[in-house]
Amino acid sequence: GQNIDQPTEMTATEGAIVQINCTYQTSGFNGLFWYQQHAGEAPTFLSYNVLDGLEEKGRFSSFLSRSKGYSYLLLKELQMKDSASYLCAVRDRGGSYIPTFGRGTSLIVHP
Amino acid sequence: DGGITQSPKYLFRKEGQNVTLSCEQNLNHDAMYWYRQDPGQGLRLIYYSQIVNDFQKGDIAEGYSVSREKKESFPLTVTSAQKNPTAFYLCASSTAETGAYEQYFGPGTRLTVT
Repeated sequence: GQNIDQPTEMTATEGAIVQINCTYQTSGFNGLFWYQQHAGEAPTFLSYNVLDGLEEKGRFSSFLSRSKGYSYLLLKELQMKDSASYLCAVRDRGGSYIPTFGRGTSLIVHP
Repeated sequence: DGGITQSPKYLFRKEGQNVTLSCEQNLNHDAMYWYRQDPGQGLRLIYYSQIVNDFQKGDIAEGYSVSREKKESFPLTVTSAQKNPTAFYLCASSTAETGAYEQYFGPGTRLTVT
């Protein structure tokens, strides 16, 4: 199984940049996901990393270091609508392809 | 539009009653999942199904049951044996065609048992 750790809560200012970290321990890494979840709504897929490095998608980027068991989600030009919970999920080698989710980081963006 | 639907959005039941939560998808995905979400906790896997007429227990299957008679449908029954059924329930699906097998979630059902 996996042990996934991410901060419980973060705050940031509109227009700024914020980095949400995720560390994990797994017996056989096979991919890391980031999801965004607004309060009371469904999680939506943001990014997937399986190789080391940075993946950029508009204002959002996700980084992975497999040797360090570490990932971060970088959000640029923060908007009020970015206030949400950000879930890190890690998949290990096995036949089910099902990731294990961390507890999520609640991001509050204020004016 | 393709997607996943869950109904109802809010559900209230008395303790001791079984209740079935609906999940339907028209994405043509093979795999479907049920998760439970409680405040301050991550998503916890209840059951999953990778193909019609087959399903597997997840991490917290006790007190729950599922069926997968059609590719599009994966209903979850919360039985009276589930000790703490009040929670937010999320259904998801995925496909091998995307390569990443990322999950697509329905809007969720908030179940309250009193």
